[in-house]
Amino acid sequence: AQKVTQAQTEISVVEKEDVTLDCVYETRDTTYYLFWYKQPPSGELVFLIRRNSFDEQNEISGRYSWNFQKSTSSFNFTITASQVVDSAVYFCALRGNAGGTSYGKLTFGQGTILTVHP
Amino acid sequence: KAGVTQTPRYLIKTRGQQVTLSCSPISGHRSVSWYQQTPGQGLQFLFEYFSETQRNKGNFPGRFSGRQFSNSRSEMNVSTLELGDSALYLCASSTRQGYEQYFGPGTRLTVT
Repeated sequence: AQKVTQAQTEISVVEKEDVTLDCVYETRDTTYYLFWYKQPPSGELVFLIRRNSFDEQNEISGRYSWNFQKSTSSFNFTITASQVVDSAVYFCALRGNAGGTSYGKLTFGQGTILTVHP
Repeated sequence: KAGVTQTPRYLIKTRGQQVTLSCSPISGHRSVSWYQQTPGQGLQFLFEYFSETQRNKGNFPGRFSGRQFSNSRSEMNVSTLELGDSALYLCASSTRQGYEQYFGPGTRLTVT
């Protein structure tokens, strides 16, 4: 069974602070994919990043960065110099690779509500 | 490209009725997945379709069903609605080779 745990239910920060959202996952698949999605108040899930299990390079995209550590089964997300527009619910998700094909389901964490105050 | 579209956006139904939700994927995307989002259970996978075939199914009762058409559009149906079916139903599409799922705005279903 696959499982994703986001330890922080809610985080509140003041604008310009850095914030890290934690994600820990469990899977028996040898190949898998990790994702982060953002859900603003409008409700639509917005894709942020995908990371393959065989690629442990960290990634930076503007103010966003992701730290993937296979040894600890973690895929943490850091927002540098947070802004009010970053306020949203952030979901970490896991997708296995059943049978070597590309199909499979996304297993989501419970989400972290991030509130950035001006 | 246009994003994933879902219709209707809002729906109010009475317990015992049935409902059909529609999803049009991004052009060229052949895989469509459905998810249910509730405050208590979070985001839960319902099913995934590819080339008109159901590839994977989540742990939902048989009242929840779906299908995919030859143009990749998908519908999901919920029969004999229960109060607990009130949720945001999200559809997502992805390409055969890519793994990112792109989500639509969702259908907010309220069962009274």
